[in-house]
Amino acid sequence: GNSVTQMEGPVTLSEEAFLTINCTYTATGYPSLFWYVQYPGEGLQLLLKATKADDKGSNKGFEATYRKETTSFHLEKGSVQVSDSAVYFCALNTGFQKLVFGTGTRLLVSP
Amino acid sequence: DVKVTQSSRYLVKRTGEKVFLECVQDMDHENMFWYRQDPGLGLRLIYFSYDVKMKEKGDIPEGYSVSREKKERFSLILESASTNQTSMYLCASSLSTPGAREQYFGPGTRLTVT
Repeated sequence: GNSVTQMEGPVTLSEEAFLTINCTYTATGYPSLFWYVQYPGEGLQLLLKATKADDKGSNKGFEATYRKETTSFHLEKGSVQVSDSAVYFCALNTGFQKLVFGTGTRLLVSP
Repeated sequence: DVKVTQSSRYLVKRTGEKVFLECVQDMDHENMFWYRQDPGLGLRLIYFSYDVKMKEKGDIPEGYSVSREKKERFSLILESASTNQTSMYLCASSLSTPGAREQYFGPGTRLTVT
């Protein structure tokens, strides 16, 4: 079936460090891929998306590239800030807009 | 701005009670969803609706039902609450046009069943 695997957290970084959160997927067909972010006490917000192979999604300094050959969609940011502390979810669209989510990765950034 | 609101942020209920969680969206979206979020399990789809009075089971529908009488409102019902339904419940909505369509989420309701 369709599934998303994310790296276990928490990921703990100092401000201005480089961030990578790994995401790999298993899916039939050609899914669309998403990263959502959940700040403390809030619902999920779409961070970025990619709809086909080799697409790069980007927003707020975050980037992720849809790699069909490695079935991956890793999230990266060159210099994290304390305000980036949140839980990040990788997800894929299986059709009819149903999303399959990973388990989430908590990011903690210290000053 | 799209807004998805949920009736309560925190709710405490007793085992066996009937519980209603309400969700309202203001962007005329056709699709609405209910998820539950548990540590280590991510988000799991309970039910979704693609039109008024239409509903389909998600991955974990047992113990839940839903109602969509108006396009903007989607209710999740726990007929007889149990302690294993203690969780964070998230509502979402989206358009039904083709392509990669963003889901917009509400702030969540943290339900505790004692």
